[in-house]
Amino acid sequence: DIQMTQSPSSLSASVGDRVTITCRASQSISSYLNWYQQKPGKAPKLLIYAASSLQSGVPSRFSGSGSGTDFTLTISSLQPEDFATYYCQQSYSTPPVTFGQGTRLEIK
Amino acid sequence: QVTLRESGPALVKPTQTLTLTCTFSGFSLSTSGMCVSWVRQPPGKALEWLALIDWDDDKYYSTSLKTRLTISKDTSKNQVVLTMTNMDPVDTATYYCARMPVAGPFDYWGQGTLVTVSS
Repeated sequence: DIQMTQSPSSLSASVGDRVTITCRASQSISSYLNWYQQKPGKAPKLLIYAASSLQSGVPSRFSGSGSGTDFTLTISSLQPEDFATYYCQQSYSTPPVTFGQGTRLEIK
Repeated sequence: QVTLRESGPALVKPTQTLTLTCTFSGFSLSTSGMCVSWVRQPPGKALEWLALIDWDDDKYYSTSLKTRLTISKDTSKNQVVLTMTNMDPVDTATYYCARMPVAGPFDYWGQGTLVTVSS
């Protein structure tokens, strides 16, 4: 199975900050990498698919990049509603589907 | 629009079998390339993929749980059913169903159903 490792596991930042979250795959997954945002008590929400494509309705301050094994999710200017947990997920070799362990983004 | 909704018991006893139903609308699971998965999330922990069924009725399971899981679909009812045998307190989690075009992301999710395993 392909392992997905996110870093950091938690992050404190302020409104207006630029934030980057990293996801690394245990083997090359081309661009088959997706990012989700999850708020407490809610289902995950798709933000970015195919490494860099913005899901419809997602604000443009979210962006994704990378290919192969290393990927990043960037939030250009944090808004209060962005404080949440973020997960990466590979769809290259599925099944099995694998997720990263999550990055909790907290208010500083 | 696409919607998914999970249903099933909120509480099960250890050793019992859990049966969850995902009822969806806005797409057909007989459409080539379409899949539905189950994903769970223990309280405060990460997402864990459980099982997937595709438009061709192929079924795939988590390696660690495959002996306990069965996934099936009823295309006429727009439903996907997951059964998990021999439930244990560590299986306490919110269980989600989600739509996934083949090799694509989970683009639509149900709201999730919390299942507690306790005697």
